[in-house]
Formats: sequence, C-alpha cells, structure tokens
Amino acid sequence: QKEVEQDPGPLSVPEGAIVSLNCTYSNSAFQYFMWYRQYSRKGPELLMYTYSSGNKEDGRFTAQVDKSSKYISLFIRDSQPSDSATYLCAGERANNLFFGTGTRLTVIP
Amino acid sequence: DVKVTQSSRYLVKRTGEKVFLECVQDMDHENMFWYRQDPGLGLRLIYFSYDVKMKEKGDIPEGYSVSREKKERFSLILESASTNQTSMYLCASSLTSTGAYEQYFGPGTRLTVT
Repeated sequence: QKEVEQDPGPLSVPEGAIVSLNCTYSNSAFQYFMWYRQYSRKGPELLMYTYSSGNKEDGRFTAQVDKSSKYISLFIRDSQPSDSATYLCAGERANNLFFGTGTRLTVIP
Repeated sequence: DVKVTQSSRYLVKRTGEKVFLECVQDMDHENMFWYRQDPGLGLRLIYFSYDVKMKEKGDIPEGYSVSREKKERFSLILESASTNQTSMYLCASSLTSTGAYEQYFGPGTRLTVT
C-alpha cells in the first residue's frame, strides 16, 4: 500500500468552477503536507504546504489537512485555464517526501 | 530564483549501457534528490544526499548509484541500463534537512532504454 493515495482523475471542469482535489495517507508520522503543481513537460513546483492539521489559504487556493481522518484536500476557487496541470499531494517524514500519483486537471474555457 | 538544471531533456540508450544523468543546482542547497516518475506510480525516491560525498538510499535504489563530489552537483548512474528503467527522471534540491518539504525540481530527463 502506498503511503499516500490520490485519485488520478482525469478531472475536467468549466472555467470558474470550484475544484476539489483529495488524498488520503496512512502514515501518522507525517508532519508537513504539500501540494505540488506540475505542468506538462515540466518538473513539479511547490504550490502550498501545511504543517499538521488545519487550513491554509493563498489567493484562490486553500489547503486543508485533517489528521484525524488522514485526509488532505486542495480547493481551487474560480478555476482558470492556466490551472490546468497535474496536482501532486505529498507528506513529509524524516525529511523525505512521499507523493501521491497525481491528479490531472483540465479547466475548460 | 532557484534553478535546478538537468543535463538532458531526452535520452535514448541501449540495454547494458552505462548511463549518467547530471543535475546542478545554483542556490547552495544542502539536500539533493533523485526521483523517477512513472504513470500510475507517481514520484518514487531513488537516492538522496544531505551533504557532499553523502548518499542515502531511497525507496527504489536497485540498479542505480549516485555521486556527489561537489555541493551543487548530484549525478545518477545507471550501471547497466535495462528496459524497465525507461522513465522520467527528476532531480530536486532543498535548502536544509529541516526544510525538506520545499523541494525545487529540475525539468526532468525522459530516458528511453531500448
């Protein structure tokens, strides 16, 4: 069993929609939780990170962690075509990152 | 801006060849990582290094080795390439071990072994 599970999608939404991306994890030792965004033919880039449980907001993006249910979420408000990418969730343990498989998102103009 | 560069974007090698993938970062980061990315499997850690001449095995080190002779450079070596090593290889770096959650990735090398 992978330490971080993520629905691979693909997910297609119309421009302006609210997008919800979700992951589950199995390792209680994770302290930091990250969302990386990967555009086609590029390396991943850090979008947001959260320490322990709670919410974190950055513009149109909100990251949410519920450690009691081992659930990680990313919400994108007012989605734009430029948000079309693969989104990777990750947990951090012992200074290493454990990634989900990624969800491919397409925002249709 | 942190820049992580990888020596090749695309590489085609034959089975049994020795393959070198080079990665250079320009921000004096202590930690460097090598991953491979495959559809349905995501990113998997091959090796990482916290300092010059240091190396640690990740989840899938078999068939690979690494070298870190200088702080800015981390090389991945496939001693005898096999077709199951066809993949996208991504190098990453982070400032310190306590900031490992923020990794900066290179553009990747798509390696095909025929």
